[in-house]
Amino acid sequence: GAVVSQHPSWVICKSGTSVKIECRSLDFQATTMFWYRQFPKQSLMLMATSNEGSKATYEQGVEKDKFLINHASLTLSTLTVTSAHPEDSSFYICSATLQSEAFFGQGTRLTVV
Amino acid sequence: DAKTTQPNSMESNEEEPVHLPCNHSTISGTDYIHWYRQLPSQGPEYVIHGLTSNVNNRMASLAIAEDRKSSTLILHRATLRDAAVYYCILSRANSGYALNFGKGTSLLVTP
Repeated sequence: GAVVSQHPSWVICKSGTSVKIECRSLDFQATTMFWYRQFPKQSLMLMATSNEGSKATYEQGVEKDKFLINHASLTLSTLTVTSAHPEDSSFYICSATLQSEAFFGQGTRLTVV
Repeated sequence: DAKTTQPNSMESNEEEPVHLPCNHSTISGTDYIHWYRQLPSQGPEYVIHGLTSNVNNRMASLAIAEDRKSSTLILHRATLRDAAVYYCILSRANSGYALNFGKGTSLLVTP
């Protein structure tokens, strides 16, 4: 099956700094990618839809100025958590769809200290 | 989006079949039924999906009720590696397959 790769797998950053997470579709092109967030013992929550060459669409309650999404090519979307705070600590997961099947990255564990 | 209802948890013995139910009484005609599973600290993994007819693949089978208001994921022989949270999700093609995850069913497999 298709592969979606996320980098890094985990990151620890200081409060107030920014962190960039990359999501790549390795063997297919994805005009649309999705970003999710998952807190401990909770389900995945859709944060935003990343569209190649245009602005991302954010779900209600997600701050677009805090979670910057860039989808500059058909194989790469990036999520930047700006001015991170401890409450942003979470598991961030991206996905891309190919032929009715969503392929997920392995996730990025963000810890803000 | 139409909602799905799943049991919070289920338990199975290794090498026995497992039937994971999902209710989706408000499903619309264009909703696909997707199943994904998630192991701890990993991204979700596709299991199977269908629209109206029952589906089989190497991982599982999906049995869809005739009125489409419920479905059952069938793992024919559970292994310890099948222990995961299983999500039943409805998705429409025009949503680009953005998935709204519910709480899923936590499957425990005991040796």
